[in-house]
Amino acid sequence: QKEVEQNSGPLSVPEGAIASLNCTYSDRGSQSFFWYRQYSGKSPELIMFIYSNGDKEDGRFTAQLNKASQYVSLLIRDSQPSDSATYLCAVNGAGGSYIPTFGRGTSLIVHP
Amino acid sequence: DGGITQSPKYLFRKEGQNVTLSCEQNLNHDAMYWYRQDPGQGLRLIYYSQIVNDFQKGDIAEGYSVSREKKESFPLTVTSAQKNPTAFYLCASSQTGQGFGYTFGSGTRLTVV
Repeated sequence: QKEVEQNSGPLSVPEGAIASLNCTYSDRGSQSFFWYRQYSGKSPELIMFIYSNGDKEDGRFTAQLNKASQYVSLLIRDSQPSDSATYLCAVNGAGGSYIPTFGRGTSLIVHP
Repeated sequence: DGGITQSPKYLFRKEGQNVTLSCEQNLNHDAMYWYRQDPGQGLRLIYYSQIVNDFQKGDIAEGYSVSREKKESFPLTVTSAQKNPTAFYLCASSQTGQGFGYTFGSGTRLTVV
């Protein structure tokens, strides 16, 4: 059974701070890793994708992948109240499996 | 603009009734998926299809049925056999292969009355 674990939160950070969201996965052969943002009552939106070890930056977002330790992180710099949402981690399996396993998500609250 | 459209946004089902949720995409994606999301829960896969006229059961397919007669369309029927259908239903599409994320529709909120 492939598992993707996230702390449900809520993670509360002040405006302007760095928010750090973490995700661990069980399938060592996993190849692709995604972060989705889901506002309350809305559908998820893809915000980051990473597949190689290290960091990937896109604007205020940085995804970090460590395959040896089987974790992937999302850092949000200069957090804004509009970043308040649930962040879902998704992991594609090994081989020909393109169906991701989703974590339950971490709720982020950015307070002014 | 390309996108994925779900309808209706809200749906009410009476006991013993079958209802069909619509999902249409114009992104030219080969793969389409249906997920169910319950409050405080993650996404659970109901069915998926990677090519026309073929689909596979996901983790919670019992009580649901799908068809994939056209590349653009992947409707989901919630049958009377699904005993607890009240949930938020999400349709998604993607290109096939590693490294392609999902585009989600706006969702259908189904309530049993």
